[in-house]
Amino acid sequence: QVQLQESGPGLVKPSETLSLTCTVSGDSINTYYWSWIRQPAGKGLEWIGRIYFSVSTNYNPSLKSRVTMSIDTSKNQISLKLSSVTAADTAVYYCARGYYQDYWGQGTLVTVSS
Amino acid sequence: EIVLTQSPGTLSLSPGERATLSCRASQSVNSNYLAWYQQKPGQAPRLLIYGASSRATGIPDTFSGSGSGTDFTLTISRLEPEDFAVYYCQQYGSSPTFGPGTKVEIK
Repeated sequence: QVQLQESGPGLVKPSETLSLTCTVSGDSINTYYWSWIRQPAGKGLEWIGRIYFSVSTNYNPSLKSRVTMSIDTSKNQISLKLSSVTAADTAVYYCARGYYQDYWGQGTLVTVSS
Repeated sequence: EIVLTQSPGTLSLSPGERATLSCRASQSVNSNYLAWYQQKPGQAPRLLIYGASSRATGIPDTFSGSGSGTDFTLTISRLEPEDFAVYYCQQYGSSPTFGPGTKVEIK
C-alpha cells in the first residue's frame, strides 16, 4: 500500500521560505516521478513541479524562480522549497506520485501570514 | 503553456442520469497525456482516467474518457450518489496544467 504524508510548518511569514517534506512508504522513491500540487481554499489545483530520481526536474514556469525540489533516497522523502512567499502562496499543498498522479498525500495547509 | 477550459462550470443532475464533462485544450495535448480527477470536499483528488481513456485501478466502468488532440470528454454513464463532486482535467506533458474544474451537483 503506497502512502504519502506531507509535513512541515503550517505557518510561514511573508518573504520567508516555505519548506515541506513528503515521506513515501510502500514504494521505492527511485521508480517514479513525484509532484507537488497546491490548492488555495475554494479554488482549483495548481501544479508546482515534479522530480525524478534527483536528476530531472520540471517546474511551473510561473513559480520556477522560487521553487526547488529534491529527493532524499535514504529517507524516502521528497522536499519542496518555495522562497519569498506571499499571502498568494497560502494553500493546501499535496505531494503525489507519477507522471499522472495516481497516489496523493492527504495534503497540508500552509498559511502565509505575519 | 497549454490552457485547459472545462465546461460546463456546474452540472446539475439527478442520480441515475448521465453526465458529460468537456475539457478543451488551447493546443494539442502530446500523446494524449490527459488525465481526469475527482475531488470531494476535504479530500485529495483521486485519479479516474489517464492517457485520455484508460481507467485507473479500481475505477468503475461507469466512468469513461474519450477524445484526442484538443477535445476530451469524461462521461459518467449513470450517476451514483458518491459521484457528486468536482472533476478536473489535467494535461501532464512537459509543463502540466489543470483545468478549472466542473462541479457535478445534485439537482
